Amino acid sequence: DAGVIQSPRHEVTEMGQEVTLRCKPISGHDYLFWYRQTMMRGLELLIYFNNNVPIDDSGMPEDRFSAKMPNASFSTLKIQPSEPRDSAVYFCASSSESGRVTYNEQFFGPGTRLTVL
Amino acid sequence: SQQGEEDPQALSIQEGENATMNCSYKTSINNLQWYRQNSGRGLVHLILIRSNEREKHSGRLRVTLDTSKKSSSLLITASRAADTASYFCATDASNTGTASKLTFGTGTRLQVTL
Repeated sequence: DAGVIQSPRHEVTEMGQEVTLRCKPISGHDYLFWYRQTMMRGLELLIYFNNNVPIDDSGMPEDRFSAKMPNASFSTLKIQPSEPRDSAVYFCASSSESGRVTYNEQFFGPGTRLTVL
Repeated sequence: SQQGEEDPQALSIQEGENATMNCSYKTSINNLQWYRQNSGRGLVHLILIRSNEREKHSGRLRVTLDTSKKSSSLLITASRAADTASYFCATDASNTGTASKLTFGTGTRLQVTL
């Protein structure tokens, strides 16, 4: 298995531009998570999906952020318009619920390093 | 605020020594997990300990959990230079037994020198 795939790996953009980050979870996983990591705030959960449905988006910082999961193999995180304070590494992770009891080990992608100038 | 707080924030040891990292959390948990993050990479799951377990081993890793003190420790024995990374604890506070979100701690940066 190729693991969780994220693209692009690096993104540099100017303030005000739209940014779209992409994620392909591990095949068969039914949970998908978007995180943001910064030195100041550490690793923050932004939103997570179960079976393509958003379950908890309480971590999404503001309306400029949106996430979609149109199918089981693809998700996007969009920032519009982007601001310098959005600069961070964004991780996507997936996990699987197996049987009646799951311990939701999460598998992380390599991350997208976003720089907003 | 973060559910888990790791201690120390940074640790520097020599190869062959043992490394101990601690994690404290605030609420009741279903399980606690430890992850490693190498520089510039995503997090990698190391080990999971359930709330009804007190100790668990995996290779050179030993994890303990004290739910009365709301704390956990990760011991890496006979450390190697390749163990240099940041280590995070993550807590699952769900009470349904279904997959849900994890809350990650602040991390411990471990440096293992030759």
